[in-house]
Amino acid sequence: AQTVTQSQPEMSVQEAETVTLSCTYDTSENNYYLFWYKQPPSRQMILVIRQEAYKQQNATENRFSVNFQKAAKSFSLKISDSQLGDTAMYFCAFIGRYNNNDMRFGAGTRLTVKP
Amino acid sequence: NAGVTQTPKFRILKIGQSMTLQCAQDMNHNYMYWYRQDPGMGLKLIYYSVGAGITDKGEVPNGYNVSRSTTEDFPLRLELAAPSQTSVYFCASSYEGGRGTEAFFGQGTRLTVV
Repeated sequence: AQTVTQSQPEMSVQEAETVTLSCTYDTSENNYYLFWYKQPPSRQMILVIRQEAYKQQNATENRFSVNFQKAAKSFSLKISDSQLGDTAMYFCAFIGRYNNNDMRFGAGTRLTVKP
Repeated sequence: NAGVTQTPKFRILKIGQSMTLQCAQDMNHNYMYWYRQDPGMGLKLIYYSVGAGITDKGEVPNGYNVSRSTTEDFPLRLELAAPSQTSVYFCASSYEGGRGTEAFFGQGTRLTVV
């Protein structure tokens, strides 16, 4: 089964600065999808960004972008111009295109944005 | 817009009791999931379903059961509750997980077993 690893339990960043959260995964599939979800203190899970494995171009959504390295099985999230509202748990997730249709999550990174 | 609705939001159970966590979605999604989130940890998949009548085990299925008789509903049954099942439970759904569509989550159920 696929596994998702987030090696940074906690991180902090100053407001307006840039921070990168790491994620690695293990799979034997060639086609799959990767996600970053945000969980603020309200507990509501919110999709931040999504990457399709067969697309070479890294996904971007406003201040959020990813660095997808398929060969290295690495999927990091970069948050630019960090805002206080970015303070949350961030989870990396994986789902296979054909097999392994069960969506798996990493352990999460707790990000604190400091004023 | 209701989205994914979980009930109850909070529950305290005594050891050995049973209960059903309800999950309903109104988006006509095929895929539904149950996760548990222990304090400070990530989400562990308990069970999932790719359509009505089809369910499969995730990473941590022991002590739980599910059914999927309709597209909308995906209840999670806890039999003989144990303290190890104290957790926050999330239900999620997506239109077609295998195509990487976004998963929508409920607000969670905080369960304490004493």
